[in-house]
Amino acid sequence: GENVEQHPSTLSVQEGDSAVIKCTYSDSASNYFPWYKQELGKRPQLIIDIRSNVGEKKDQRIAVTLNKTAKHFSLHITETQPEDSAVYFCAASSYGKLTFGQGTILTVHP
Amino acid sequence: GAGVSQSPSNKVTEKGKDVELRCDPISGHTALYWYRQSLGQGLEFLIYFQGNSAPDKSGLPSDRFSAERTGGSVSTLTIQRTQQEDSAVYLCASSPTGTSINEQYFGPGTRLTVT
Repeated sequence: GENVEQHPSTLSVQEGDSAVIKCTYSDSASNYFPWYKQELGKRPQLIIDIRSNVGEKKDQRIAVTLNKTAKHFSLHITETQPEDSAVYFCAASSYGKLTFGQGTILTVHP
Repeated sequence: GAGVSQSPSNKVTEKGKDVELRCDPISGHTALYWYRQSLGQGLEFLIYFQGNSAPDKSGLPSDRFSAERTGGSVSTLTIQRTQQEDSAVYLCASSPTGTSINEQYFGPGTRLTVT
């Protein structure tokens, strides 16, 4: 089955800096890669996703890149703000179900 | 419109008892998923329903776990003879389609505590 590895497990940045979270996956059949943000005690919220026919996607301060050959994808957050502090999960979809990474705790210091 | 809803929001049960967790997906969504999230951990896939197809049960951790989806809408996850290691947040998600390219929307979860 699919296996998704996510790094780093924790990330601390100063407000205004950029943050990058990286994931690798194992199943070459995976073709959908969403990123979720989960605040403490809340449900995961989809923030951005990318499909395998696209190499990069951007939405305001958030961007995701995908390298299918290397089987890795990354989340980039620019101009970080304290409200970006949360746990971020990457996932890979194969045959309809998502396999999640272990999560990255992002802390943005004012 | 209404999002995915789950009930109860919290459930405390004694070891050995059975529990039922309910999920109401977004209206019109054909795919429904159950995940489990242990404290400080990622999300673990449990089971996936797509339309009238046989569910993908490959993530269920033991035969104490089962799930049903009635009428292509509401789903119930049942855990029999609960154990302390079953304590976790159980999350339900729904998706407009069950193809391999899909956006999943999560419910608020049910926090299960087995004492």
